[in-house]
Amino acid sequence: AQKVTQAQTEISVVEKEDVTLDCVYETRDTTYYLFWYKQPPSGELVFLIRRNSFDEQNEISGRYSWNFQKSTSSFNFTITASQVVDSAVYFCALIQTGANNLFFGTGTRLTVIP
Amino acid sequence: KAGVTQTPRYLIKTRGQQVTLSCSPISGHRSVSWYQQTPGQGLQFLFEYFSETQRNKGNFPGRFSGRQFSNSRSEMNVSTLELGDSALYLCASSSGAGAFSNTGELFFGEGSRLTVL
Repeated sequence: AQKVTQAQTEISVVEKEDVTLDCVYETRDTTYYLFWYKQPPSGELVFLIRRNSFDEQNEISGRYSWNFQKSTSSFNFTITASQVVDSAVYFCALIQTGANNLFFGTGTRLTVIP
Repeated sequence: KAGVTQTPRYLIKTRGQQVTLSCSPISGHRSVSWYQQTPGQGLQFLFEYFSETQRNKGNFPGRFSGRQFSNSRSEMNVSTLELGDSALYLCASSSGAGAFSNTGELFFGEGSRLTVL
C-alpha cells in the first residue's frame, strides 16, 4: 500500500525565517517517484520538484531545497529566508512506477507573517 | 502558452442533480487527469484520460464519470449529487503518454468549486 504522511497541518513563521516541511512516505515498491506541489490561494497546484527513488541527491533551487532519505522514507522540503509569497498549502505526493495513481499527503499550510 | 482552463470556476447544485465540468488542457498535451479535493479526504485521484480513452480510475462510485474528446478537452460528470460531493475538482494535463509515464509533471488548472446544497 502507498501512503504519504505530512504530519504538520499548519506552520507559521515570521518572514526571513527558515522552515522545513516534513514528508514521510510508505511504499512496497523499490521504484517510485516523489513530488512536491504548492497550492496558492488561487487553487491550482504548482509543480515544484520530482525525485525518483534511485536518486538520493539533495537538490537546491534558489531558496528551496529538498532532502531525500530512503533510510527514513522521508522527503523533506526546506524554504530558506521565507517570504510572504511562500504562504500556501504544500503537498507531498508519491507514485509507484507503472502505476497511474498519484497519492497525495494531506498538505501543510504555511503562513509567512510579514 | 495558455495554461489548463477549467469551467465553470464556481457552481452551486442541489442534491440529486447532475453536473458537468470541463477542462481544456495545455495545447499539445494529450493526457488529462482529474482530482477531487475536500477538507476531509484531501486530494484524491478520480481518473485519467489519454487519446480519448480512460486509462486509470480511482476509487470513486460509478456516479463519477468522464470522457475526453479528440481535441484532448475533457469533461467529468457527477450524477445524483450528494452533499459529500462538495469539493474543489482539479484537472491536470501532461505532455506524456500518460499522466505519470514520463516526468510526472502535471500542470493543474485552478479548479471548479462545486457546492451541493
